[in-house]
Amino acid sequence: QKEVEQDPGPLSVPEGAIVSLNCTYSNSAFQYFMWYRQYSRKGPELLMYTYSSGNKEDGRFTAQVDKSSKYISLFIRDSQPSDSATYLCAMTFPGGFKTIFGAGTRLFVKA
Amino acid sequence: DAGVTQSPTHLIKTRGQQVTLRCSPKSGHDTVSWYQQALGQGPQFIFQYYEEEERQRGNFPDRFSGHQFPNYSSELNVNALLLGDSALYLCASSRTGASSGANVLTFGAGSRLTVL
Repeated sequence: QKEVEQDPGPLSVPEGAIVSLNCTYSNSAFQYFMWYRQYSRKGPELLMYTYSSGNKEDGRFTAQVDKSSKYISLFIRDSQPSDSATYLCAMTFPGGFKTIFGAGTRLFVKA
Repeated sequence: DAGVTQSPTHLIKTRGQQVTLRCSPKSGHDTVSWYQQALGQGPQFIFQYYEEEERQRGNFPDRFSGHQFPNYSSELNVNALLLGDSALYLCASSRTGASSGANVLTFGAGSRLTVL
């Protein structure tokens, strides 16, 4: 079993839709949960991160962590064609040196 | 302010050869991590360097080695290349001791290695 599971998609939505991206994980010791966005032929860039459980909002993006279910989500409101990319969930331990990534979900937002 | 820069961007090697990839971290960062990203997969941790020492290593064979220089730049070396080593190699920098504690990574665009 992989430490982090993420549906690779692809996920195709019309412009303006609400997008929900999800990951599950197996190690309850993870404390930091991140979402990275990766455009084609580019390296990943950090969108946002949360510590432990709860919600965090940044503009059109909302990250949720449910540690009891070992489940994290990223919601994108009013999706735009420029949001078309691969979204990678990632997590790490406190003081940890390595980050564990999911496989990434490819998102296409159609104009 | 330059971010993370990697070179070369693309390269083609044959099985059994050796390759060296280079990385300059973002200004102000002192820690460099290397990741391997196979097509359609997420990045896999190879190792992390801090203060010129390998601080942690992922599940990669000894054919993968690295180095960090006093100016914080880093190299990744892969010996005896296999077809399965074909991937995007990503360098990520961070700052040890940053207040966030989250090991936030800044990635370069990667070096795409093809092994024939």
